[in-house]
Amino acid sequence: QKEVEQNSGPLSVPEGAIASLNCTYSDRGSQSFFWYRQYSGKSPELIMFIYSNGDKEDGRFTAQLNKASQYVSLLIRDSQPSDSATYLCAVNPNTGNQFYFGTGTSLTVIP
Amino acid sequence: DAGVIQSPRHEVTEMGQEVTLRCKPISGHDYLFWYRQTMMRGLELLIYFNNNVPIDDSGMPEDRFSAKMPNASFSTLKIQPSEPRDSAVYFCASSPGTRFFGEQFFGPGTRLTVL
Repeated sequence: QKEVEQNSGPLSVPEGAIASLNCTYSDRGSQSFFWYRQYSGKSPELIMFIYSNGDKEDGRFTAQLNKASQYVSLLIRDSQPSDSATYLCAVNPNTGNQFYFGTGTSLTVIP
Repeated sequence: DAGVIQSPRHEVTEMGQEVTLRCKPISGHDYLFWYRQTMMRGLELLIYFNNNVPIDDSGMPEDRFSAKMPNASFSTLKIQPSEPRDSAVYFCASSPGTRFFGEQFFGPGTRLTVL
């Protein structure tokens, strides 16, 4: 079992819709969770992080964490074509000495 | 700040040659990470340093790979001898400190092709 799993997609949504990206992790003691965005041919860029159960909002982005279900998600409201990218979920397990990325979900926002 | 700087941006070499990738982290950042990204395996953490000291190298694929950080502003990742399966994009990233371990800033990457 991989430490972090994501649906590779591709996920397509129309402009203005809500995009929902999901991620599960295997280490129940994991403490911190991150969402990175990677445009084609570019490097990953941190867009959200969450440490506590519940929701965290930043502009059009909301990260949701459910530790009991070992599940973290990213919602993008009012999706724009410029949101088209691969979204990588990353987890810092309880051991603190590693950092695992999922394989990413490709999102396309259709104008 | 200029961000994380990597060189070269592209490297094409022949199997058996030595390859050296270079990284300059953001000034003041305590952590430096080396990653490899391929379509098959995604983004993999190879090794990371804290205050110039290697902390975890369990991701280094084999003895052909080595990394050093002689000072706070410079790190190298060396592959000797290189093999075609080493072809990938190699990223360097840095982060400000323990509390921000996962809040990493990535360099532009080095695209390595081994023929």
